[in-house]
Amino acid sequence: EPEVTQTPSHQVTQMGQEVILRCVPISNHLYFYWYRQILGQKVEFLVSFYNNEISEKSEIFDDQFSVERPDGSNFTLKIRSTKLEDSAMYFCASKRFKGGTDTQYFGPGTRLTVL
Amino acid sequence: AQKVTQAQTEISVVEKEDVTLDCVYETRDTTYYLFWYKQPPSGELVFLIRRNSFDEQNEISGRYSWNFQKSTSSFNFTITASQVVDSAVYFCALSEEVGGATNKLIFGTGTLLAVQP
Repeated sequence: EPEVTQTPSHQVTQMGQEVILRCVPISNHLYFYWYRQILGQKVEFLVSFYNNEISEKSEIFDDQFSVERPDGSNFTLKIRSTKLEDSAMYFCASKRFKGGTDTQYFGPGTRLTVL
Repeated sequence: AQKVTQAQTEISVVEKEDVTLDCVYETRDTTYYLFWYKQPPSGELVFLIRRNSFDEQNEISGRYSWNFQKSTSSFNFTITASQVVDSAVYFCALSEEVGGATNKLIFGTGTLLAVQP
């Protein structure tokens, strides 16, 4: 069964460093998402991406964040200068069709630790 | 504004007990979708069910059942004869159809279910 994959599973970085989190969505999906979950808290929407552009972003998604689909398979989240409060689990999700009748499938997550 | 409330932070039951996880939502949209996801200790988010606002029919899948009531804006989840493997955090989520733009998921704070042997 197709699934969303994410790498790395765990990333440790120093404050101020740039990190890139990678996702490979399900191959025939067209809508891509990043969510964040700070330890012990709820899952929060960061950004959605369709047709090579951001369709919506949350207040969390400030200028330090960017997303890209560099090729036909990968979907990346870049944090330019990490802060301690960026420590969280980051989930990538994808779905095939427009509209809410389709389900977002999540990857296993990347745990980001900023020291 | 859209909001999902899961008032139960933690629930502990003994194996084989039935347990109901509550979810109350707020939305101004007439078309919306409700979801339940399971997050086991390993951390991934596992999709369990999606319901749309026009379909209030309850659903049963094995030991799982869902009760959707628009009158009370609730979408409750019941596990019958719970098992230790059901131990996880369960998230209820809402997606609106407004503009069909992104259908981002708005999650509740989750309920940690601990099933004791």
